[in-house]
Amino acid sequence: DAGVTQSPTHLIKTRGQQVTLRCSPKSGHDTVSWYQQALGQGPQFIFQYYEEEERQRGNFPDRFSGHQFPNYSSELNVNALLLGDSALYLCASSPGWTGPQDTQYFGPGTRLTVL
Amino acid sequence: AQKVTQAQTEISVVEKEDVTLDCVYETRDTTYYLFWYKQPPSGELVFLIRRNSFDEQNEISGRYSWNFQKSTSSFNFTITASQVVDSAVYFCALTLTSGTYKYIFGTGTRLKVLA
Repeated sequence: DAGVTQSPTHLIKTRGQQVTLRCSPKSGHDTVSWYQQALGQGPQFIFQYYEEEERQRGNFPDRFSGHQFPNYSSELNVNALLLGDSALYLCASSPGWTGPQDTQYFGPGTRLTVL
Repeated sequence: AQKVTQAQTEISVVEKEDVTLDCVYETRDTTYYLFWYKQPPSGELVFLIRRNSFDEQNEISGRYSWNFQKSTSSFNFTITASQVVDSAVYFCALTLTSGTYKYIFGTGTRLKVLA
């Protein structure tokens, strides 16, 4: 039973560029959440996707956008990259049907470095 | 607003010592869930435990135990007879049962277990 997978593992971009990160949820899960984890900090919620819709969004600018596909996989897009966007981006999946308290299972993350 | 505080930034212990990681949370809601996750150097957040606000029973799982005290808004995690493999960053997180789907994480405690 595959867990949450993310690609790529590492990514280096320059300021102003755009980036797309990908996530495949754990088998049987239909909900995907994205978090940003800066060095030495806890993960910060970016948004959650359920039934191909953004269900909730955290305090992140519109430069951060996402998408969920019919197979429940998801993409996180960041436009006009800033140095401050350098972080570990974590994807988490959950069953979705038991409510907000679903246990979220995390992937290994994508380490984004913006130069 | 909700908040999770992990005041211990870093703890070092010698192998076989017991260690307790502190977590204090803030919420005005009466129903909520608390979590602990382990983040090894690989970066993936590994789920350890979920506890709902109505269940104040302490839990033990092997060398791990958790002490939940609503009176002090604390959910502490104890590792008995620590091992080098326990070295990681540990995060405490909080979510509510309605109105939100995001997890609120503390800043984490880095545990170093020395051989």
